[in-house]
This record gives sequence, structure tokens and C-alpha cells, in this order.
Amino acid sequence: DVKVTQSSRYLVKRTGEKVFLECVQDMDHENMFWYRQDPGLGLRLIYFSYDVKMKEKGDIPEGYSVSREKKERFSLILESASTNQTSMYLCASSARRTSGSLSYEQYFGPGTRLTVT
Amino acid sequence: AQSVTQLGSHVSVSEGALVLLRCNYSSSVPPYLFWYVQYPNQGLQLLLKYTSAATLVKGINGFEAEFKKSETSFHLTKPSAHMSDAAEYFCAVRTDTGRRALTFGSGTRLQVQP
Repeated sequence: DVKVTQSSRYLVKRTGEKVFLECVQDMDHENMFWYRQDPGLGLRLIYFSYDVKMKEKGDIPEGYSVSREKKERFSLILESASTNQTSMYLCASSARRTSGSLSYEQYFGPGTRLTVT
Repeated sequence: AQSVTQLGSHVSVSEGALVLLRCNYSSSVPPYLFWYVQYPNQGLQLLLKYTSAATLVKGINGFEAEFKKSETSFHLTKPSAHMSDAAEYFCAVRTDTGRRALTFGSGTRLQVQP
């Protein structure tokens, strides 16, 4: 089974702190994603990466950065946390191809509920 | 641009009743469509997917969905609800053919009454 793990289930940080959220997948997937989930808004894509050291902005990248130094690990960084970044953060991964066809199926971690006070 | 609309943020059914969760999409590329389920305090789990093969797709836990191109719909159904089906359900469509990203709907919370 694909396993995607996230470093913390719950995190409480203060405004202005630098926050690191870590995600690790064990299936050798090329693609990794960070979403935030807010009630009534569904999942919104923050950043994604399709290879080591490669990244692309999603729909809401402002206030966030990412790092992918190893294939299995994708980090989300909040440079200076603000209260409007209080949210559930979900990491996901997907293979580039499955059975020779392009793949879009994503596997999710359990999420990190971040509270910024 | 791709988008997903889920009609009804909350749906309540009785145990044993039909479950119908609605999803409509718009897509400028041939759509690949997904339904995910999220149980409390967990991540998302894939229920089923449509990737241009059979229009009626069967998934896990007795769920199925039918792709209807003319209606741009991909509604999720289950003939008989079980208490364990109570969760939040998300419909998603692939964003484009290159980015490998998905665009998600806002979710529907399913309650199952005894």
C-alpha cells in the first residue's frame, strides 16, 4: 500500500514564526502536492512538485514556499505564519504513469491541523 | 479552466436508503474524474475514478458513479446507506493534461441517521 506520512497531526504556532510541514511518501512517486483544506472551500492547491528540486505554484501560493531535495520528501514552509494560515494541510503524491498511461490518482497523508495564534 | 460543483454541502439519509451525491464539472480537456472520501481526522481516500473507459464506474464500499458527458455530471450513488458511510465526500477533475494536479469540489458531508 502507498503510504504518505506527515510529520505532525496537530501543530500550534505563534504569529510570525517560521513553520515547516514535512511529508514523506514511500512509493517512489514523482509527483507531490500540498493542499490546504478549509470548510466550504474544499481542497486548494498550494504548490506541487513533479521531480526533485522542481516546483510549481498552485492556486494559492502566497505566503508559502516548498522544498524538494529528495524524491520521497516534500516540505511546506510558512516563512512568517499568520492567523489566516490556520487550516488543515494535506500532502499527496502520485505516480507519473501507471501501467503505461498517464496517472492522476493521488494518495493522501492524514493531514496536519495547524493553528496560528 | 476546470471546475467542480458539488450540489449540497450537507446530505442526510436514513440507514438503508439510497445515497446520491451530485457532482457537475467543466473541463477544457477530456475529463478524468474522481470521488474521494474523508473520514473524521483522516486524509482523503480514493473511492473510484473515471478515465475514459466504462461510463459506469464501481468503487469501494459499494459506491458507484456514472459519467454522463451530455450532462457534464459524475454523480455518486450507493443503493443502501450504512452508518459507516458518514463522512465527507469530494469530487475532483484533472486540472489539465500536463500538471497532474486535480481540482476539487467544496465537498458534501453525508450524515446517516439510524
